[in-house]
Amino acid sequence: EDQVTQSPEALRLQEGESSSLNCSYTVSGLRGLFWYRQDPGKGPEFLFTLYSAGEEKEKERLKATLTKKESFLHITAPKPEDSATYLCAPNNAGNMLTFGGGTRLMVKP
Amino acid sequence: DGGITQSPKYLFRKEGQNVTLSCEQNLNHDAMYWYRQDPGQGLRLIYYSQIVNDFQKGDIAEGYSVSREKKESFPLTVTSAQKNPTAFYLCASRVTGSSNQPQHFGDGTRLSIL
Repeated sequence: EDQVTQSPEALRLQEGESSSLNCSYTVSGLRGLFWYRQDPGKGPEFLFTLYSAGEEKEKERLKATLTKKESFLHITAPKPEDSATYLCAPNNAGNMLTFGGGTRLMVKP
Repeated sequence: DGGITQSPKYLFRKEGQNVTLSCEQNLNHDAMYWYRQDPGQGLRLIYYSQIVNDFQKGDIAEGYSVSREKKESFPLTVTSAQKNPTAFYLCASRVTGSSNQPQHFGDGTRLSIL
């Protein structure tokens, strides 16, 4: 059974304080891993796709990386508008996603 | 603009009542999905459809039903058999034929019991 664990569950940062979010997974036949951002009361918004170990993707203050068992979302000098829940979802051999429980990020000015 | 429209945004169900959640997409995607999201939990798959007139059960299909009569539409019915329906319901779609295409989501329907 595919499993995904995201940590920490919640993270409070001061504006400008960089940190990382972790996504650990056990998936049969990994075919990519997706990161999403979700704002309260909204659907998840796609951020990145990572395909193979060692790959990195960047978008503004966010950088996602992938190893064989983990993915990290690094947030550099965050701003209050980066506050959201971040979800990771590995894609298995059957093209089905398994979602982690998310990390709720709060950035204070 | 292309996207996924879910309606209504909020829905209330009475005891013993079936309710239907609407999901429409104009992205020309073949595959569509329904997820349930509970506080502090990941999204759990209810049903999915890869093509018109065909759909499969996900991990938590009991108490739910779907239809896929048109490519653009994938309504979800929450039946009276679903004893704990209070949750945030999300519809998604994606292009098939390639594993590198992400699922795109609507803005959800929040269902509560009266």
